[in-house]
Amino acid sequence: GAVVSQHPSRVICKSGTSVKIECRSLDFQATTMFWYRQFPKKSLMLMATSNEGSKATYEQGVEKDKFLINHASLTLSTLTVTSAHPEDSSFYICSARARVVNTEAFFGQGTRLTVV
Amino acid sequence: GDSVTQMEGPVTLSEEAFLTINCTYTATGYPSLFWYVQYPGEGLQLLLKATKADDKGSNKGFEATYRKETTSFHLEKGSVQVSDSAVYFCALRGYSTLTFGKGTMLLVSP
Repeated sequence: GAVVSQHPSRVICKSGTSVKIECRSLDFQATTMFWYRQFPKKSLMLMATSNEGSKATYEQGVEKDKFLINHASLTLSTLTVTSAHPEDSSFYICSARARVVNTEAFFGQGTRLTVV
Repeated sequence: GDSVTQMEGPVTLSEEAFLTINCTYTATGYPSLFWYVQYPGEGLQLLLKATKADDKGSNKGFEATYRKETTSFHLEKGSVQVSDSAVYFCALRGYSTLTFGKGTMLLVSP
């Protein structure tokens, strides 16, 4: 199946700093990428949807100025957590989908963010 | 809106036991249904899917049948292994985005 690579897999940062997470589709062009946040013992919560070349669409309650999403190319999307706080500590997962109608979305390995 | 409800875990089984994880959904139209598996520290992997009523998805010994009359997509496996220990997510896709259940942790002991 298609491969989506997410980097880094783990990151620890200090409060107040910014962290960038990359999501790459390795063998297909991802016209749409999704960013999820996973809380302990809870499901994945969709944070935002981004289409290549356009602004991301954020879900209700997600601060767009805090979680900056850039989908600059058909193979790369980035999530930047700005001015990180301990409550931003979580598991973030991206998924990517190709242009073909009804094609599946493939998931990255996830990034464990710990803010200290 | 769309929603997915799956049984709470953890589900604890001995090796070779029979597994059922219940999943029901609410959606408008005719969604596609999925089961994803998440191994510790990893992202989600698609386990199986079904795109229309009465379809049966199967993979690695797991099966699930799309039941429109009961709006269900229960996951089953006849004989679980220790390596099946993971969190299983039921999900549906309506128009474009995935809606996930809360996940069910499965713990299989030798």
